[in-house]
Amino acid sequence: KQEVTQIPAALSVPEGENLVLNCSFTDSAIYNLQWFRQDPGKGLTSLLLIQSSQREQTSGRLNASLDKSSGRSTLYIAASQPGDSATYLCAVFHYSGGGADGLTFGKGTHLIIQP
Amino acid sequence: KAGVTQTPRYLIKTRGQQVTLSCSPISGHRSVSWYQQTPGQGLQFLFEYFSETQRNKGNFPGRFSGRQFSNSRSEMNVSTLELGDSALYLCASSSNRDEQYFGPGTRLTVT
Repeated sequence: KQEVTQIPAALSVPEGENLVLNCSFTDSAIYNLQWFRQDPGKGLTSLLLIQSSQREQTSGRLNASLDKSSGRSTLYIAASQPGDSATYLCAVFHYSGGGADGLTFGKGTHLIIQP
Repeated sequence: KAGVTQTPRYLIKTRGQQVTLSCSPISGHRSVSWYQQTPGQGLQFLFEYFSETQRNKGNFPGRFSGRQFSNSRSEMNVSTLELGDSALYLCASSSNRDEQYFGPGTRLTVT
């Protein structure tokens, strides 16, 4: 059974710092990996999608990497801003005997950027 | 392009009742997946529909069911509601197992 772990569970940093969020997964037979952000009481906003054949993706101040063989992904946020405060979720779309099982999510990293 | 829409946004039901939630995917997307989010269990996969067929199902009891219509809109039904069914129900659409786009969710409270 696929399991996704995110470290740290919570993080509070001053504005302007660069930071790294970590995600690990137990089964490397993944189709893709996606990072999301969720604001309190809201739905999920897709940040970056990395296909299993890719090593990284970039969007603005965000960069996500994927090392499928070791079961790890990182989300790098450059020059953090108070508006980046949210919960960040990592999810993998993986194969099983019956086909893809939908996204398996980590518990998230609750990020607070102090002004 | 309009995003994923979910209705209603909030619902309050009593134990034993049933409820139907609706999801309209992004135009052109044929896959709709449903997820349950609770503080204790996080986000859990319920099921996926593609071209009106259930393609995959998570580990939820048979009280949770769904369907998809020819226009790709999907409904999720929960029968005989229990207190533990209180959650945020999210649907996601994609063209076919690629980037998932989520709706704002339906907040269900069971009393």
